[in-house]
Amino acid sequence: DSGVTQTPKHLITATGQRVTLRCSPRSGDLSVYWYQQSLDQGLQFLIQYYNGEERAKGNILERFSAQQFPDLHSELNLSSLELGDSALYFCASSVGVNRYNEQFFGPGTRLTVL
Amino acid sequence: AQSVTQLDSHVSVSEGTPVLLRCNYSSSYSPSLFWYVQHPNKGLQLLLKYTSAATLVKGINGFEAEFKKSETSFHLTKPSAHMSDAAEYFCVVSDSNSGYALNFGKGTSLLVTP
Repeated sequence: DSGVTQTPKHLITATGQRVTLRCSPRSGDLSVYWYQQSLDQGLQFLIQYYNGEERAKGNILERFSAQQFPDLHSELNLSSLELGDSALYFCASSVGVNRYNEQFFGPGTRLTVL
Repeated sequence: AQSVTQLDSHVSVSEGTPVLLRCNYSSSYSPSLFWYVQHPNKGLQLLLKYTSAATLVKGINGFEAEFKKSETSFHLTKPSAHMSDAAEYFCVVSDSNSGYALNFGKGTSLLVTP
């Protein structure tokens, strides 16, 4: 158990819908990262927050957005869902943002878009 | 821009024989390099990491990797494979330019036969 929690574990929805994925980082970690794992794209970085502020952006679609709240939990919002958005979404957290900080991964949320 | 190339998408070994999973990286900055493992329907677990200290890095479960700057390689090895090593392995690079977000390779699927 990494100490990172993600809810829900599974999510099934229809095209065009909007969903919210939630991540609670390990106690004391200020940085949260979101990653997407799909058969087509592999594992790719979406977005990073540090202490409530957006820090870095990866291959995140405009239909996707995220935020980190004052209690440091983070939410990833996916809207106008398409079949291709079906994937495993991981959240990771770390204490800070430097080369020595290990990222700890949550168990993931499996999103299925029908 | 940073990237990693995992040279083999599938590797098959017999139990008790050595494991070699190959990875080349590209980074314009001083990179950190990692190997992660993902067992079927499980999350991501850190095997080992290189962050600019010793070039030979020892990880969990008997795995180790050597950072070779001249060859831009970070190959993962294990002297003797165990059935429980069967999993997907990801070589990962990060650097300061991307806020230390992880950039994953496409993965190598390790099969261990009796």
